[in-house]
Amino acid sequence: GAVVSQHPSRVICKSGTSVKIECRSLDFQATTMFWYRQFPKQSLMLMATSNEGSKATYEQGVEKDKFLINHASLTLSTLTVTSAHPEDSSFYICSAPTGGGTNYGYTFGSGTRLTVV
Amino acid sequence: DAKTTQPTSMDCAEGRAANLPCNHSTISGNEYVYWYRQIHSQGPQYIIHGLKNNETNEMASLIITEDRKSSTLILPHATLRDTAVYYCIVRVGGSYIPTFGRGTSLIVHP
Repeated sequence: GAVVSQHPSRVICKSGTSVKIECRSLDFQATTMFWYRQFPKQSLMLMATSNEGSKATYEQGVEKDKFLINHASLTLSTLTVTSAHPEDSSFYICSAPTGGGTNYGYTFGSGTRLTVV
Repeated sequence: DAKTTQPTSMDCAEGRAANLPCNHSTISGNEYVYWYRQIHSQGPQYIIHGLKNNETNEMASLIITEDRKSSTLILPHATLRDTAVYYCIVRVGGSYIPTFGRGTSLIVHP
């Protein structure tokens, strides 16, 4: 089946630095990628939707200059957390739609645990 | 947008069936019901989906009521590895952005 490979699985960075998270679609083309953030004991919250070759769409309250999304190819989308701060520590997950018509399914990456110290 | 309501938590004995309910009373006729689960510190995993007929696969069974306003995910023989948060999702309107509620935290105990 469709697989979304997400790296790194965990990263620790110093406050003020930037971190890049990659999501690659294996064996299928992901024209769209959803990026989620999940705080402890909470559900997944959609941050943004990236579309190949165009600007990402951000959810209300998500700073587009802080969370840079690039979707330059049909198999790779990246999320860069710029000037990270401890409050950005979270679990970040990407997801790509698979299937077609009304039968859309979603394939998720394995997530990235970001800890900012 | 169709919303879903799930119990916050449930528990089940290992080897027994786990029945997880979901209410989706505002579901539209062409919207599918999807079930995913998330084991701690992992990305969500697809389990099963259906439109109006009952479905079964190697992981679970999905029972959808005739009026489609609710469904039940059945794990026939729960194991400790089935401990996870289970999300019931209905495709939102004309878009396909998956949105998550709080889900049901299922704890399978020995």
